[in-house]
Amino acid sequence: AQTVTQSQPEMSVQEAETVTLSCTYDTSENNYYLFWYKQPPSRQMILVIRQEAYKQQNATENRFSVNFQKAAKSFSLKISDSQLGDTAMYFCAFIGNAGGTSYGKLTFGQGTILTVHP
Amino acid sequence: DAGVTQSPTHLIKTRGQHVTLRCSPISGHKSVSWYQQVLGQGPQFIFQYYEKEERGRGNFPDRFSARQFPNYSSELNVNALLLGDSALYLCASSFSHSGTGELFFGEGSRLTVL
Repeated sequence: AQTVTQSQPEMSVQEAETVTLSCTYDTSENNYYLFWYKQPPSRQMILVIRQEAYKQQNATENRFSVNFQKAAKSFSLKISDSQLGDTAMYFCAFIGNAGGTSYGKLTFGQGTILTVHP
Repeated sequence: DAGVTQSPTHLIKTRGQHVTLRCSPISGHKSVSWYQQVLGQGPQFIFQYYEKEERGRGNFPDRFSARQFPNYSSELNVNALLLGDSALYLCASSFSHSGTGELFFGEGSRLTVL
């Protein structure tokens, strides 16, 4: 079974600074996908960034980038130039792709509450 | 375009009762997944439906059931409610069933069981 661990229950950062959220996972699969989702207070969860395990290049989406270390099974999220609107719960998530039968079953970590201070 | 819509947004039930939660996916999305998010934890996968067929089931008791209709909307049913069923129930839709693409989530239905 796959597991996803986020060891930082809470993080805080000053506006315009950089913060890194940690995530580790455990799987025996070789082909899988990793995600970071953002859940603002009382609002729906949205996708921040996605990484395919077979791609060595780290994914980047504007101010958001990941550090994907496949051998270490580590998938951290770096937020640059933090903004007040980045305040949210962030979830790391995993999905295997064993023959395409994963059927939408995301495995989520416990989440990290990020607070951006002005 | 409308996003994923869920109803009701909040509801209170008592132990032993039954609840039905509803979800309308984004137009064109044929896959609907249900997740349970207990306060302070990450979402846990309950079901996935694609083209009206169950394609995946998480580790939940048989009290939980779901179905998908011809218009791809979905219902999640929970029988014999327990206090531990209190949670935010999230519905997510996607175009394909493999789950490797982006999931689009609704705002959830917050269920309180007294």
